[in-house]
Amino acid sequence: DGGITQSPKYLFRKEGQNVTLSCEQNLNHDAMYWYRQDPGQGLRLIYYSQIVNDFQKGDIAEGYSVSREKKESFPLTVTSAQKNPTAFYLCATVTSGRENYNEQFFGPGTRLTVL
Amino acid sequence: AQSVTQLDSQVPVFEEAPVELRCNYSSSVSVYLFWYVQYPNQGLQLLLKYLSGSTLVKGINGFEAEFNKSQTSFHLRKPSVHISDTAEYFCAVVKGNNFNKFYFGSGTKLNVKP
Repeated sequence: DGGITQSPKYLFRKEGQNVTLSCEQNLNHDAMYWYRQDPGQGLRLIYYSQIVNDFQKGDIAEGYSVSREKKESFPLTVTSAQKNPTAFYLCATVTSGRENYNEQFFGPGTRLTVL
Repeated sequence: AQSVTQLDSQVPVFEEAPVELRCNYSSSVSVYLFWYVQYPNQGLQLLLKYLSGSTLVKGINGFEAEFNKSQTSFHLRKPSVHISDTAEYFCAVVKGNNFNKFYFGSGTKLNVKP
């Protein structure tokens, strides 16, 4: 069953703690993305990666870090430097095939609440 | 300036009525355009996309959208909505000068009333 898995679905952390959100895909897509979603603001790009061992900052990368050691995995770490980390986090992948070029697929999301 | 504008944050409509969700974009280069739907506490699902060709695009669940280059719009329409269409809808754009970056609108919440 192909798709994108994000775990956990709900995550609670104390202020000042780092936390890592998981994103795994078995779609064999090269590109992976992390977005943050806040009410009324749509999706904002945190980081994206087009190939293994390479990634680029998005519009709101401060306070976040990522790694891309494997094609299937793109974990996001929310560090203590992120001022307002409570949000819904979405992972996505993008196709690169000619017929479905640039179609973006989304995971189910992780809701992070910092207490 | 915003790359994608969804002017209506909320759209209430009665069941079986038609609906139009508006999306305007700004770009000086060619674009790919997308509409996504999001149900509460879930990820986004693709409704339809415009890459090239016919400007009228049909998607899933009876939705369609029309690409209007002169008006830089990509409005989403459905002739008769169901209660199950209640969700948030996002318009997205990819610009020809950077196919790796998706720009999303702020979303429109469609509330279908019985």
